[in-house]
Amino acid sequence: AQSVTQLDSQVPVFEEAPVELRCNYSSSVSVYLFWYVQYPNQGLQLLLKYLSGSTLVKGINGFEAEFNKSQTSFHLRKPSVHISDTAEYFCEDYQLIWGAGTKLIIKP
Amino acid sequence: SAVISQKPSRDICQRGTSLTIQCQVDSQVTMMFWYRQQPGQSLTLIATANQGSEATYESGFVIDKFPISRPNLTFSTLTVSNMSPEDSSIYLCSVVPGLAGGSREQFFGPGTRLTVL
Repeated sequence: AQSVTQLDSQVPVFEEAPVELRCNYSSSVSVYLFWYVQYPNQGLQLLLKYLSGSTLVKGINGFEAEFNKSQTSFHLRKPSVHISDTAEYFCEDYQLIWGAGTKLIIKP
Repeated sequence: SAVISQKPSRDICQRGTSLTIQCQVDSQVTMMFWYRQQPGQSLTLIATANQGSEATYESGFVIDKFPISRPNLTFSTLTVSNMSPEDSSIYLCSVVPGLAGGSREQFFGPGTRLTVL
């Protein structure tokens, strides 16, 4: 069965530090991959997506992700986080399979 | 893009009763989905709401428990039947904008927070 794995349930990081949230997928066919963000007490919104083309995709709020086919990964990165980035981040593939989510905790 | 509204936003229900959740989209869409998100957890797909035919349910979800209607391309309902406390969750409606649904990028409603006593 296909799966999407987010190994880190929580990632604490100091404000203005870089962060990487990890996502691995299992599909062996062409994929679309997505990162969504859910801010506290808010709905889910799309952060960025990979459909095809350049493996480095940029999203909203300074986030980017790199599609790596050989490592079956789609890790999310931001060079400098802000307190407003406190949220839960979900990775999803085009087959509607979701990772377990990673809570990003920003330490002042 | 798409703007999605859900009703009710929250409800507290008694065990054994049923609740119908509505999802309204501001444009016609082919793909519409219902999810469950239990507190602190990820999303679990309940079913795909198909216009003009029966919904397609995921493993572990059955029509008798979660009947879905999709009368047109902008509206759907999900009923949670014969509720138990284990059904307490947030129920989310999502759509892929447009009629072709090529990119599979989803837009989500605000959710319905259900508590069953």
